Amino acid sequence: DAKTTQPPSMDCAEGRAANLPCNHSTISGNEYVYWYRQIHSQGPQYIIHGLKNNETNEMASLIITEDRKSSTLILPHATLRDTAVYYCIVRVVGDYKLSFGAGTTVTVRA
Amino acid sequence: DAGVIQSPRHEVTEMGQEVTLRCKPISGHNSLFWYRQTMMRGLELLIYFNNNVPIDDSGMPEDRFSAKMPNASFSTLKIQPSEPRDSAVYFCASSYPGTGDTEAFFGQGTRLTVV
Repeated sequence: DAKTTQPPSMDCAEGRAANLPCNHSTISGNEYVYWYRQIHSQGPQYIIHGLKNNETNEMASLIITEDRKSSTLILPHATLRDTAVYYCIVRVVGDYKLSFGAGTTVTVRA
Repeated sequence: DAGVIQSPRHEVTEMGQEVTLRCKPISGHNSLFWYRQTMMRGLELLIYFNNNVPIDDSGMPEDRFSAKMPNASFSTLKIQPSEPRDSAVYFCASSYPGTGDTEAFFGQGTRLTVV
């Protein structure tokens, strides 16, 4: 029972912004949106999370729609090292579980 | 801190043999997770420890799998006897005290091949 829907793959040009969409239409008020990524042959890496406000850190920005049914992860200036599988995860506040779906395979091209 | 440390990085073993995977979480973290990743099933949570106590082992496939956390700085995942279908990448992750909205730090994984 998938809680999030992501496109299976997308390409973006090096140096350009990469906008990764995620649908979570059944999200509850007590659920966060998390983003992780997994670079080939490495463990998943935390990127960012948010509840309802937009968030920004040194890696990315997270834009959550007002109804919270979808979000977009923005990598402001994609580099070749950003090529990875990106996972959008919905997680209940206070819960330990991270349920990974298939994610979006992002390929950054020179 | 060196991050979550897993060993070995690669393990090849014969069917029927015992396999032990090891994990050292980040110092100060009190939650530890074991995940398994395969092409078919993606990333699956096997077991979750909090303060060295197993809280949720519902993801452990069967009795051949067991996990222990004898202290805050060490955990093992054991498969006995191993089978070819156990071939996967096994990840250990840890997170720090606080509410559930904390990030998990993953190790580099152990790639297990059972022949």
